[in-house]
This record gives sequence, structure tokens and C-alpha cells, in this order.
Amino acid sequence: DAKTTQPTSMDCAEGRAANLPCNHSTISGNEYVYWYRQIHSQGPQYIIHGLKNNETNEMASLIITEDRKSSTLILPHATLRDTAVYYCIVRYLYNNNDMRFGAGTRLTVKP
Amino acid sequence: GAVVSQHPSWVICKSGTSVKIECRSLDFQATTMFWYRQFPKQSLMLMATSNEGSKATYEQGVEKDKFLINHASLTLSTLTVTSAHPEDSSFYICSASGTGESYEQYFGPGTRLTVT
Repeated sequence: DAKTTQPTSMDCAEGRAANLPCNHSTISGNEYVYWYRQIHSQGPQYIIHGLKNNETNEMASLIITEDRKSSTLILPHATLRDTAVYYCIVRYLYNNNDMRFGAGTRLTVKP
Repeated sequence: GAVVSQHPSWVICKSGTSVKIECRSLDFQATTMFWYRQFPKQSLMLMATSNEGSKATYEQGVEKDKFLINHASLTLSTLTVTSAHPEDSSFYICSASGTGESYEQYFGPGTRLTVT
């Protein structure tokens, strides 16, 4: 069973920041928060992950609340190619645990 | 990041036949591989987890005799759909995970199976 809840869908204007929320209120102390996205008919693409500190890479930023019960993925300047389903997943990192997907958020970037 | 490939990318087979899908880790040793299935407009559903050299662990509701998984080497896992039926038509995705820094999961591009 997925341990996260996300909005079903969101729209974002091209060039604006896309902020995708995720609730994971039952997260345990050694579970990481992962974000993947899936563009139609492709395998999931890794975006970013974090434990408790905010993280940033070339694709996105991940903001995790202090109590770790929720997080936000930020795409700073959304493009049309960012249209995809975004999945927020919590997972133990160091014992080859499987990754279970919830329904995700369908982000549509509009011109 | 590490690369995982799948072959074929798409396949059409007749009802009653078997089809094999390969998943390869190209630049790391995958001690664990995972197989997912995705129906249209749905999320990925984990089917089974396989560790190199041992039997796969199947999720509840997944028939192990129908979906045969072999993980004979650290770079290759195969999923064989036996006696395929039209309801087996789906998008099959594998992922691979190693050890140490490679505990991360890397996903393949998926295989589209259509059973006619």
C-alpha cells in the first residue's frame, strides 16, 4: 500500500514554477522521500530524493517539512516537456526495499 | 545514473503463446530486480521481487506459474508470460538495484505487451 497522498492533477503555466505537494504522515525515521516522474509510455525517471534536509539538483528542488510529514517538489521553470505523472514515494534506502507507487499527480504544463 | 535496458520494447503475441521479456543492468551488478505491471491510466503495480540466484517473491494475486521470473545472473532477469491471454496485455517495467551506492533503483524503459 502506498504511504503517500498526492493531488490527482495539477496545471502549471509554462515558465512558471510547478509546486507538487505530497503528504506522508506515517513516514518513519529512516525512510527517504523519493520523487519519480513518468512520461507517457516510458519507464519512471528519477528526479530527486531526500531524508530530512532540503535537496536541489539540476532538475528540481525538494522541500521536506521539519516534521517530515509532507514534502513539495519544485520544478523552478516548468516546460511543456515536464508534462508527466509525478510520483512521491517513501522507501528505506539501504536494504533493497521495493518501491511502491501510488496514483501520483498528473502535471500538465500549458503554454 | 546507472542504465537498465529491456528487450523487446514492444511485442505482439497470440493468445495461448508464451513471451519472454529481458531486463538487463548495463553498468552495474543488480543483486535485486523488480517487475512491475502498468495498465492504461493506472499506476505501476509491483508484481515480484527477484534476488540473484534465488526464487522470486511474488506479490499477492500474482500467479507465479503464469509469470515466470528468472534472475540467473547479476545483470539479467527475465519475465516469461506463459499461456498469454488478452487480459495480460499491459506495460511491463523492470527495475534493478545493487549494493552500496547502488541500492538506488533504476528503471528500464518498459515493454508493451499486446496479446491478440
